[in-house]
Amino acid sequence: QLQLQESGPGLVKPSETLSLTCSVSGGSISDSTYFWGWIRQPPGKGLEWIGSIYYSGRIHYNPSLRSRVTISVDTSKSQFSLKVTSVTAADTAVYFCARLPGAAAGRIDHWGQGTLVTVSS
Amino acid sequence: DIQMTQSPSSLSASVGDGVTITCRASQSISRSLNWYQQKPGKAPKLLIYAASSLQSGVPSRFSGSGSGTDFVLTIRSLQPEDVAAYYCQQSYSAPVTFGQGTKVEIK
Repeated sequence: QLQLQESGPGLVKPSETLSLTCSVSGGSISDSTYFWGWIRQPPGKGLEWIGSIYYSGRIHYNPSLRSRVTISVDTSKSQFSLKVTSVTAADTAVYFCARLPGAAAGRIDHWGQGTLVTVSS
Repeated sequence: DIQMTQSPSSLSASVGDGVTITCRASQSISRSLNWYQQKPGKAPKLLIYAASSLQSGVPSRFSGSGSGTDFVLTIRSLQPEDVAAYYCQQSYSAPVTFGQGTKVEIK
C-alpha cells in the first residue's frame, strides 16, 4: 500500500528557507503513470497547490510561488523535496505531499499525513 | 487562474438527509472537476474525479454531477462519519485550484 511521509523542521525563522522531504514507500516513484506534488493549507484555511514533479525531473509550479519554490526528485532514495526561500508568516501552513495520476495538474489520489511548518522568530 | 467558488460555506443537516454542495468554475472546465473530503486534522481524501466517477472504496451515497462551469456533490443519506470539510478542485489547467471549502455538520 502506497505511503507518503513528509519530514523536515517544524519551525523556520522569517527570511530563511523551508525544506521538506517526502518519502515514498509501497510504490515506485519512477512509475511513469504518476506525478508527485506538494500542496499546502494555512491553519483554518483552504488548499493551495505548490507544484508537481515527474520522476524524470519535469516540473510544474504554481506561478504565484514560482520565484521562491524549488521541487526536486531523487529516485535512488524514492524521495522528492520542496524548498521555499525567503519565508514569511504567510508561509505557515500544513504541507502535504501527494501523488497525482496522469497529469501534473490533475486529481490527487494519495496524500501524506501532512506536516505543520510554522514561520516565526 | 481558474477560480472555483463553492456554496454554501457551511451547512447543518440531520442524519439521513440528502445534502448538496455546489461548485462553480470561472470558465468552462469540461468535466475536469474533483471532490475531496477532509476530516479535522487529516489529509484530504479523493471522493469523486472527472465530475462523476466514484473513487475506489468511497461509499455509493456520494455522487457527483455537472459539466462546463457548474458542478454538484450529493450525499444521498448523511451519516455521522460524513462530518467534514468538502473541497472541489479543477484539473482542467495549471495551476490546480480549489474551492474555499464547505463544512458539513450534523444538526
